[in-house]
Amino acid sequence: GEDVEQSLFLSVREGDSSVINCTYTDSSSTYLYWYKQEPGAGLQLLTYIFSNMDMKQDQRLTVLLNKKDKHLSLRIADTQTGDSAIYFCAERNSNSGYALNFGKGTSLLVTP
Amino acid sequence: NAGVTQTPKFQVLKTGQSMTLQCAQDMNHEYMSWYRQDPGMGLRLIHYSVGAGITDQGEVPNGYNVSRSTTEDFPLRLLSAAPSQTSVYFCASSQGQGIDEQYFGPGTRLTVT
Repeated sequence: GEDVEQSLFLSVREGDSSVINCTYTDSSSTYLYWYKQEPGAGLQLLTYIFSNMDMKQDQRLTVLLNKKDKHLSLRIADTQTGDSAIYFCAERNSNSGYALNFGKGTSLLVTP
Repeated sequence: NAGVTQTPKFQVLKTGQSMTLQCAQDMNHEYMSWYRQDPGMGLRLIHYSVGAGITDQGEVPNGYNVSRSTTEDFPLRLLSAAPSQTSVYFCASSQGQGIDEQYFGPGTRLTVT
């Protein structure tokens, strides 16, 4: 299938902002998602954005959507060591029921 | 609610053996799916189901079978295990409406020697 692209690794210092970028493929996606995976665990929905929005803010999280460029970003303000995890960008897979197309995941390392 | 449960948590198989990975959800979700997660590859869809009695192939279905006889259960069968099937397997379910948050199980770590 077509790829959802993300950078694989990001390292930031505690207290800084983190920005994770993603490009997606399906312009008809109604929702775009960010999932978080902590070590040894399954994925959990972190946040999402509806396709008719440009921006969504949820506490320390800001999601920006550029539909023209099919670009999605996740900004984490005041990043904490507990934010260290793998972050996956995902779009609805229109060919597979309600399953998702995931990016390869960005490993975020937050150092003290 | 227990959410999505998967058993076993860990499994080691020899090449050629068969086994079934169990997945169950208690949220009355219609949609269920199986993914495998490999380093540097993200999650890839193996099979999915949009309701009891209905299944279909995802991106990487070869070597795996599924069935959906009830809404709650969606087992994944490995017919003849191969080292290439060494992976972490995740089951997920969702309502299939609105935001359609996918709920993931804790995963099964499978090693095939």
